[in-house]
Amino acid sequence: SYELTQPPSVSVSPGQTASITCSGDYLEEKYISWYQQKPGQSPLVVIYHNAKRPSGIPQRFSAFNPGNTAILTISGAQTMDEADYYCQTWDSSKVVFGGGTKLTVL
Amino acid sequence: QVQLVESGGGVVQPGRSLRLSCAASGFTFSNYAMHWVRQAPGKGLEWLALISHDGGFTSYGDTVKGRFTISRDNSRKEVYLQMSILTAEDTAKYYCAKPSGSQSDSWFDPWGQGTLVIVSS
Repeated sequence: SYELTQPPSVSVSPGQTASITCSGDYLEEKYISWYQQKPGQSPLVVIYHNAKRPSGIPQRFSAFNPGNTAILTISGAQTMDEADYYCQTWDSSKVVFGGGTKLTVL
Repeated sequence: QVQLVESGGGVVQPGRSLRLSCAASGFTFSNYAMHWVRQAPGKGLEWLALISHDGGFTSYGDTVKGRFTISRDNSRKEVYLQMSILTAEDTAKYYCAKPSGSQSDSWFDPWGQGTLVIVSS
């Protein structure tokens, strides 16, 4: 079955740029979405269709999917961005989530 | 405002069955496929199942195929997840989620608040 691979954790200092990767076979041929999940909350989409931001999501969130690795970037990370982040795609009529990355901002 | 409210969770003994419900409001329910996703304590998101807008197509994750059944009632604006032969590994918060976009590239927005299932004797 198809798999998406994320690093378990990423750390960044406040104001710096955080990058979270998501790798999978032929990923450039698929659409990727990214979700933010804070403790005790349901996931929230922050990026869809590889690079589009839903309304209400700050401009510091961006992403691109140039090849087998998609990248979520948080420019000028803030302490409020500390959360788990998941990538998601589709394969053969099934949804696939990455294992998640815990972003620490401190 | 789109709202999804899950219910039906609780403590259930291993080997037993449980049915979860998700009540939808704020959108034309019969126009949308619906999904179930779960998250075990301290773990990541696991996609479980989808059902097409009219119930004519379903798809399941490998770990639950054959044990879980997704269904819907468009007149009630509800989607269900019938779970059978439950084990401790099924202990998780269960979310229903509404997709946006076409099926093969859709994303989930919004998610419900989830309902907690604990499988324990």
